[in-house]
Amino acid sequence: IAGITQAPTSQILAAGRRMTLRCTQDMRHNAMYWYRQDLGLGLRLIHYSNTAGTTGKGEVPDGYSVSRANTDDFPLTLASAVPSQTSVYFCASSEGGMNTEAFFGQGTRLTVV
Amino acid sequence: GENVEQHPSTLSVQEGDSAVIKCTYSDSASNYFPWYKQELGKRPQLIIDIRSNVGEKKDQRIAVTLNKTAKHFSLHITETQPEDSAVYFCAASIQEYAGGTSYGKLTFGQGTILTVHP
Repeated sequence: IAGITQAPTSQILAAGRRMTLRCTQDMRHNAMYWYRQDLGLGLRLIHYSNTAGTTGKGEVPDGYSVSRANTDDFPLTLASAVPSQTSVYFCASSEGGMNTEAFFGQGTRLTVV
Repeated sequence: GENVEQHPSTLSVQEGDSAVIKCTYSDSASNYFPWYKQELGKRPQLIIDIRSNVGEKKDQRIAVTLNKTAKHFSLHITETQPEDSAVYFCAASIQEYAGGTSYGKLTFGQGTILTVHP
């Protein structure tokens, strides 16, 4: 089934630990995005990638890094997790060009303790 | 960068009533305005969108209007039903160009919790 998949679904992480959230899409979309969702703040863009091999910073990039080695995968890494990174993380993808509809993964609920 | 403000943060209506959610954006270069619906515990899903060359778009019970001059756009839901209860997000997109192709990076509003009472 075509779509976008995130892993893990949820995670409890000790502060200071390193964590990579995985995101894979099989729609051959050019653009991919990572958002965090916090109550009352909506969806805020962390990092994005317009095409494989390129990445860019979003609204809240500090403490996060991404890579885009190929079209399908867009992992998000927290180098040293802090409690303020407790959130629900959504990966999304879009085809690019005039078709800018974003398709979202099911989300990863991350709790940093 | 783009800034999107969404109001109200919560909205409660009776079944059959209409619901209106409003958003304003800051960057006049934005040209794509989608609305997403997110049910509890699920992913956001696109319900309707509008481009800057159109003033209004309708799809059954939902419609979106855009005022480019004032930089605001609204979602209208008529004959609301309990299954319309969800969080609704507006977004605005500015096109970026890379490798000869344009890409839209979405900036979201803060969300509106809509509750439809039977």
